[in-house]
Order: sequence, then C-alpha cells, then structure tokens
Amino acid sequence: RKEVEQDPGPFNVPEGATVAFNCTYSNSASQSFFWYRQDCRKEPKLLMSVYSSGNEDGRFTAQLNRASQYISLLIRDSKLSDSATYLCVALSGTYKYIFGTGTRLKVLA
Amino acid sequence: DTGVSQDPRHKITKRGQNVTFRCDPISEHNRLYWYRQTLGQGPEFLTYFQNEAQLEKSRLLSDRFSAERPKGSFSTLEIQRTEQGDSAMYLCASSYPRGGSLNTEAFFGQGTRLTVV
Repeated sequence: RKEVEQDPGPFNVPEGATVAFNCTYSNSASQSFFWYRQDCRKEPKLLMSVYSSGNEDGRFTAQLNRASQYISLLIRDSKLSDSATYLCVALSGTYKYIFGTGTRLKVLA
Repeated sequence: DTGVSQDPRHKITKRGQNVTFRCDPISEHNRLYWYRQTLGQGPEFLTYFQNEAQLEKSRLLSDRFSAERPKGSFSTLEIQRTEQGDSAMYLCASSYPRGGSLNTEAFFGQGTRLTVV
C-alpha cells in the first residue's frame, strides 16, 4: 500500500463547477500536509499547506481529518487555468515529503 | 532568479553512458532533495541532504546512483552505466525549516528530463 493515495482521475468538470479531491495517508505520525499543483512537463509548485483547522485561499479550501487520515482540496468556481495535476503530499518524519500519484483535473469550456 | 536551478534541462544519452546532473538550491536553504518522476506518477524520493551530509538514500537508489553536496550548497546526481529504465524527470528541491516549523514547503527546480536510448 502506498503511503499517500489519490484517485488519479481524470476529473473533467465544466467551467464554474465545484470539484473536490481526497487523499488518504497511511502514516498516522505524519504531521504536515500540502497540496502541490503540477502542469504538464513542469515542476510541482506549492498550492497550499494544509492546517489542522482547515484553511482557505481564494477559491481553494484544504481540510485535514486526522481521525480518518485524509486530506481534501475543494476548488470552487473552476477556471480553465485550473486544469493541472494536483499532488497530495505528507511530510513523513521531519524532512521527507511523500507524494501521491496526483489527480488530473481538466476544466472544460 | 532566486529559485532552485537545475542543469541541464534535458539530457539524451546512450545506454551504458554516465550522466551527471547539477542542482543549485535556494541560497539559504540547508535541506536539499532529489526526486524522480515518471509519467503518470508522483515524484518519488531518492535522497536527502542536510547541509553537506547525506542523511537518507532511498532503496530506489541503486549503487549506480551517487549524489553529493560537497560544500552544503549545490548538489550533483550521477548515474553510471545508464539503463533505459532510468529515463525519467529528475527533480531537485530545497527547503529551510523556519523556526523549527514543520509546515515548511519544499521548492522544486524545473527538473532534468533524462532519456536513455
């Protein structure tokens, strides 16, 4: 079993839709979590950190559920430019970032 | 540009040849990572440096792979006797744990795309 698991998708949604991705992690000792965005053939870029209390950044909301060991990302009012792969990341120990396989999102006009 | 820099961006090599990649992290970052990514997969951890010390190597890193960070600044990743299965994107990342915070993100370079023919 992978340490961080995501549904690879693709998720095809119309512009303006709300879409949610979940990610599960197996290491209950993981303390920090992140969502990264990766465009085709580019490097991953940090989208947002995930805090225990949940956090919001514009149209993006991240939530952490430690009891169930999952992280979610909600994107409201999807834009064409949101089309990308979204990578869920858990910090294992104090320094190792463990990535999921990524969830592909395609926003359709 | 003060981001993570990797060189070269692309490398095509014949099977059996040796290749070396370079990474220049963000200047104040003491943590440096190498990851490998293949199509449809997330980045996989290869190795980690704290300053000049290599503190962890993944089992993915066979003895054909070696990484160094001689002065705690730039790092090199060398692959000897390349195989077709080594074809991938090799990503370097750096981070700096501010005030001991665990919520410290890693910043990635643009990667080196290796094709072994």
